[in-house]
Amino acid sequence: EAGVAQSPRYKIIEKRQSVAFWCNPISGHATLYWYQQILGQGPKLLIQFQNNGVVDDSQLPKDRFSAERLKGVDSTLKIQPAKLEDSAVYLCASSVGTSNFGTNEKLFFGSGTQLSVL
Amino acid sequence: AQSVAQPEDQVNVAEGNPLTVKCTYSVSGNPYLFWYVQYPNRGLQFLLKYITGDNLVKGSYGFEAEFNKSQTSFHLKKPSALVSDSALYFCAVSGEGSASKIIFGSGTRLSIRP
Repeated sequence: EAGVAQSPRYKIIEKRQSVAFWCNPISGHATLYWYQQILGQGPKLLIQFQNNGVVDDSQLPKDRFSAERLKGVDSTLKIQPAKLEDSAVYLCASSVGTSNFGTNEKLFFGSGTQLSVL
Repeated sequence: AQSVAQPEDQVNVAEGNPLTVKCTYSVSGNPYLFWYVQYPNRGLQFLLKYITGDNLVKGSYGFEAEFNKSQTSFHLKKPSALVSDSALYFCAVSGEGSASKIIFGSGTRLSIRP
């Protein structure tokens, strides 16, 4: 079974530039999550999709971050413009999503995109 | 509001000894509790979860966790540690209903010395 695919693996940009990350979840998984993991901290949920609808984006800095999952499959997360404090690993995860919007389900994580903002 | 705490940044254990990684939580209603492990340059991997039922949950790689409702804890345990268990461990909690979300703790680095 193919896992959650993310690209790129690494990205280095200067502040005020824009960047985009891509995620392809496990086939058939309805729920998709984007997490931000700052060095030394646990993952923080940015946005959760159920199919192509947003379930939770309460911690997404909407003035600079955006995400979409247009066909209910793969997803992109964009930052524009980037700030120094956005340096982190961006993790995508997916789950089957059949009950409770995935909150009682096992998450499958990709390897992440490590972003460095200089 | 949901929260999860991992009070120890690092746990050091000798190989062959039992290990415990601590986790406490706060959530409205019944909790869903998880443990994940992160190896260097890898994404998080699921170890085990508690949804309902038996308070002792068994998971991957010989790990188990004990749910204690009165102490709002979900400590991760293993009877005999291996050097290969050295990694970063995250506890996570969520609750029932669409308003809940999966919240991760700050992580505990487990170091097993030979």
